[in-house]
Amino acid sequence: AQSVTQLGSHVSVSEGALVLLRCNYSSSVPPYLFWYVQYPNQGLQLLLKYTSAATLVKGINGFEAEFKKSETSFHLTKPSAHMRDAAEYFCAVSRSNDYKLSFGAGTTVTVRA
Amino acid sequence: DVKVTQSSRYLVKRTGEKVFLECVQDMDHENMFWYRQDPGLGLRLIYFSYDVKMKEKGDIPEGYSVSREKKERFSLILESASTNQTSMYLCASTESEVYPPEQYFGPGTRLTVT
Repeated sequence: AQSVTQLGSHVSVSEGALVLLRCNYSSSVPPYLFWYVQYPNQGLQLLLKYTSAATLVKGINGFEAEFKKSETSFHLTKPSAHMRDAAEYFCAVSRSNDYKLSFGAGTTVTVRA
Repeated sequence: DVKVTQSSRYLVKRTGEKVFLECVQDMDHENMFWYRQDPGLGLRLIYFSYDVKMKEKGDIPEGYSVSREKKERFSLILESASTNQTSMYLCASTESEVYPPEQYFGPGTRLTVT
């Protein structure tokens, strides 16, 4: 079985500061990895996905994530936070032959002016 | 634009009522999913369907059933609602034979059972 651990249920950053959200996965085979964002009162929206084509993945809204197999990690970063980045972020994993996703518990980001 | 719609954004029901949550997608996707979202627990899979009239249990199917009579519609049924089913319910869909399987989500239904 595969699982996802997101370190830190809440992250608070100042506007313009680095955003770093941590995600570690457990999987016996190389997985597909995703980051989703949920803005208040909305469904989930895909930020980016890892497909093994490149270890550094760029997504929407200036976010990127780096796949590190040796650390079984897929951390999400954004160099400069904006007020509109306040949301909940979910890391998810799927096996290469499966349509189902396993989600982490989520990290809520607040941005201070 | 791809679109997944859910019949209600907010729903209040009484304990013991039968509750139907409807989800429709316009992308001709084969696979559809129902999740519930609770604080600190992320999204947990209730049921999924990979074709019309086909369904499989997810991680937390107890107290729920589903129906998929048409490809575009996937219904979640709470046979006898209980207060511990108060939650946010999210529907998603994805097409087959495309990897990685990007799931497209509806806006969610916040269900309160009193």
